[in-house]
Amino acid sequence: SQELEQSPQSLIVQEGKNLTINCTSSKTLYGLYWYKQKYGEGLIFLMMLQKGGEEKSHEKITAKLDEKKQQSSLHITASQPSHAGIYLCGADTGAGGGADGLTFGKGTHLIIQP
Amino acid sequence: NAGVMQNPRHLVRRRGQEARLRCSPMKGHSHVYWYRQLPEEGLKFMVYLQKENIIDESGMPKERFSAEFPKEGPSILRIQQVVRGDSAAYFCASSPSRTVGGEKLFFGSGTQLSVL
Repeated sequence: SQELEQSPQSLIVQEGKNLTINCTSSKTLYGLYWYKQKYGEGLIFLMMLQKGGEEKSHEKITAKLDEKKQQSSLHITASQPSHAGIYLCGADTGAGGGADGLTFGKGTHLIIQP
Repeated sequence: NAGVMQNPRHLVRRRGQEARLRCSPMKGHSHVYWYRQLPEEGLKFMVYLQKENIIDESGMPKERFSAEFPKEGPSILRIQQVVRGDSAAYFCASSPSRTVGGEKLFFGSGTQLSVL
């Protein structure tokens, strides 16, 4: 089965600083999804990457997919308190099973210090 | 247009009791997915249902756990004879179709189950 490893497990960053979260897959990535989870709440979809080398941005968050390395990174520029939460990467197994095949990493806990 | 609604938000049960978790998908969504999030672990897929059918239950324990999505009403995740290890956050997600794109998955706020 596919496994996703996220690093770091937790991250404390001073407000205004940049940060990067990584997600590495044990198998080929057919699709990589980034979600954000606020404590005690559900997941909010951030971005989906499907093609090697693809890069997407939304506001101050940029995600890249390095297909050859089976890895994705999420970069936040000039972090704000609203960025705090748990960031989860999810992968499509590519087995044709649809969304039931989504596998998630354990998440990265991000804390923004004022 | 209300999002995915889960209730209750918090559920406390004693060992041996039954837990029923409800999920009302977004309007127009006929596909429901249940995930479990254990402390210090990631989100684990449990079961995928369409109206009146279980499509994939490969992530659901064989015993004590069952799920349904009737023609009318919410999807129900039922845990019989709960044990302390069942304590977790249970999330429901819905989509309008069977999708390989995670962006079409909309998540509820979850039910936090605590077993005493």
